[in-house]
Amino acid sequence: QSALTQPPSASGSPGQSVTISCTGTSSDVGGYNYVSWYQQQPGKAPKLMIYEVSKRPSGVPDRFSGSKSGNTASLTVSGLQTEDEADYYCSSYAGSNNFEFGGGTKLTVV
Amino acid sequence: QVQLQESGPGLGKPSETLSLTCTVSGGSISNYYWSWIRQPAGKGLEWIGRIHTTGSTNYSPSLKSRVTMSVDTSKNQFSLKLSSVTAADTAVYYCARMGPDDSRGFDAFDIWGQGTMVTVSS
Repeated sequence: QSALTQPPSASGSPGQSVTISCTGTSSDVGGYNYVSWYQQQPGKAPKLMIYEVSKRPSGVPDRFSGSKSGNTASLTVSGLQTEDEADYYCSSYAGSNNFEFGGGTKLTVV
Repeated sequence: QVQLQESGPGLGKPSETLSLTCTVSGGSISNYYWSWIRQPAGKGLEWIGRIHTTGSTNYSPSLKSRVTMSVDTSKNQFSLKLSSVTAADTAVYYCARMGPDDSRGFDAFDIWGQGTMVTVSS
């Protein structure tokens, strides 16, 4: 199983907000501000959405935001749109030049 | 803009060594860390390891005994070798740049290749 724990699924209606959690330990998520989030559409490569907990790369809508409290990081998608339906993965630096991923969350926009 | 493209055999036999190459275009390979990540069908992402253009490497503890990475800056390429493969190594393999801000490459995987499917079967 994955080192970081994510809920298998999440859902929301268009226009609503949804938050996806990513739980680790003090050795990864809780120990470093190097949490990132990726969006993966079916058959496509992952796309970076958030890095260093809350920073957005150029071109990523500000509807996507990230935060962290203790050993749990969160990705919030506000103003849900149908094109946000995808799998989302978190990742964290885990010390000793090692990196971990979460198991992924399937976001459904109903 | 920087683009990554994976290449290599799509089929391998158990116990053999899997070899993949990632070609970087639209920018220099220098001064970044470059990673390999894989994804079995229907499953999550797994970090395999990374290499800096200086040749410094870091590997996932779970794969360390079977992984070797190398870089050829003259060709803007880096490579992965995974030895003693089994069916469990069947996956889509991605190469990715580590960035965008931290020079130690801790922050994220900011640019990804499209991925290449590798199947291990006798």
